[in-house]
Amino acid sequence: RKEVEQDPGPFNVPEGATVAFNCTYSNSASQSFFWYRQDCRKEPKLLMSVYSSGNEDGRFTAQLNRASQYISLLIRDSKLSDSATYLCVGRASNYQLIWGAGTKLIIKP
Amino acid sequence: EAQVTQNPRYLITVTGKKLTVTCSQNMNHEYMSWYRQDPGLGLRQIYYSMNVEVTDKGDVPEGYKVSRKEKRNFPLILESPSPNQTSLYFCASSLRGSGISSSYTFGSGTRLTVV
Repeated sequence: RKEVEQDPGPFNVPEGATVAFNCTYSNSASQSFFWYRQDCRKEPKLLMSVYSSGNEDGRFTAQLNRASQYISLLIRDSKLSDSATYLCVGRASNYQLIWGAGTKLIIKP
Repeated sequence: EAQVTQNPRYLITVTGKKLTVTCSQNMNHEYMSWYRQDPGLGLRQIYYSMNVEVTDKGDVPEGYKVSRKEKRNFPLILESPSPNQTSLYFCASSLRGSGISSSYTFGSGTRLTVV
């Protein structure tokens, strides 16, 4: 089993819809979590950290479920500019980051 | 502007010809790291450095070398490139490697093709 696993997608979603995707993690990647966004052929950029109590940043909400070992990202009122690959990241106990392979999201007009 | 600068952006080379990809950051970050990204595999860490003269292997170090003589620079060296090193490479830095919320700043990437 991969340490951080994501559905590669693509998720094709109409503009304005709400979309959610999950990421599962193993014990070795469980110290803390992040969501990064990566546009095609560009560098990843931090979208948000994921806190135990869940956190929200505008249209984006991240949740952590330690019992089931998954984190989620919810995007409300999706925009065309949200089209990207979303990378789930876990931090190991040695502070190294462990990256999921990414979920591709395509927002259609 | 705070940034991580990688060069070159694109490189096509032949098997066995030594090459260096440079990485420089202007944020006085202690931690720097190199990743390669291949389709379906996500980012895999090659080497990282916690500070000057401190480097360590990541998950896929074979065929690569690094050095950290100065805080700002962290070059990636391929002594004898092979076609399986064809990939998209990213350099990243963060203030320090530890810490719950240390986020990474990435360079723009280097697309390497070894023929």
